[in-house]
Amino acid sequence: DAKTTQPPSMDCAEGRAANLPCNHSTISGNEYVYWYRQIHSQGPQYIIHGLKNNETNEMASLIITEDRKSSTLILPHATLRDTAVYYCIAQAPGSGSARQLTFGSGTQLTVLP
Amino acid sequence: GAVVSQHPSWVICKSGTSVKIECRSLDFQATTMFWYRQFPKQSLMLMATSNEGSKATYEQGVEKDKFLINHASLTLSTLTVTSAHPEDSSFYICSARAVSGKYDTQYFGPGTRLTVL
Repeated sequence: DAKTTQPPSMDCAEGRAANLPCNHSTISGNEYVYWYRQIHSQGPQYIIHGLKNNETNEMASLIITEDRKSSTLILPHATLRDTAVYYCIAQAPGSGSARQLTFGSGTQLTVLP
Repeated sequence: GAVVSQHPSWVICKSGTSVKIECRSLDFQATTMFWYRQFPKQSLMLMATSNEGSKATYEQGVEKDKFLINHASLTLSTLTVTSAHPEDSSFYICSARAVSGKYDTQYFGPGTRLTVL
């Protein structure tokens, strides 16, 4: 799996958009970009994933650059409950069972009132 | 959809006892489940990959005789910490792999906090 780089921490004002960047400059053509978040003392929560097109769901939007070397997760209207550690993971589709997710240190997002 | 449960959510036990943690996929079948461990202020570390009907695959440095994994059905995997010691105290999290069409995603349980006295 390609290595990803994220800023260790970010702040965002409540109600504003939170834009979380991720660098994956060594990503290969068949690797997807996954985003998870972990609220304190809970299991990680799946947010969104994509390959090369931008994706949107009820939680967030994922913008992937044309060269696929970086991406941005956008929470359009951050709330205090979005305070969490956000993980960006690059991974190829599964083949067999060896498809574990490798978690880096992530970005601690703090939403401020 | 895609809900994964874990039981118990927390457990306190005496040193030398064994503890079993259950991981269930509630609304989908999972041929593959994963077990992670997380120490305070650290990221998740994969312990083992659990495949339904076959032996688990352990990561380097994880004692397979200490952390017994059983994946007897498509919706249930169990992790048994045998002869637990205080250094085994940690947050244990499972995930289940859901494959649907082009989507291949892992969903995580809420975690189990183990404290060994």
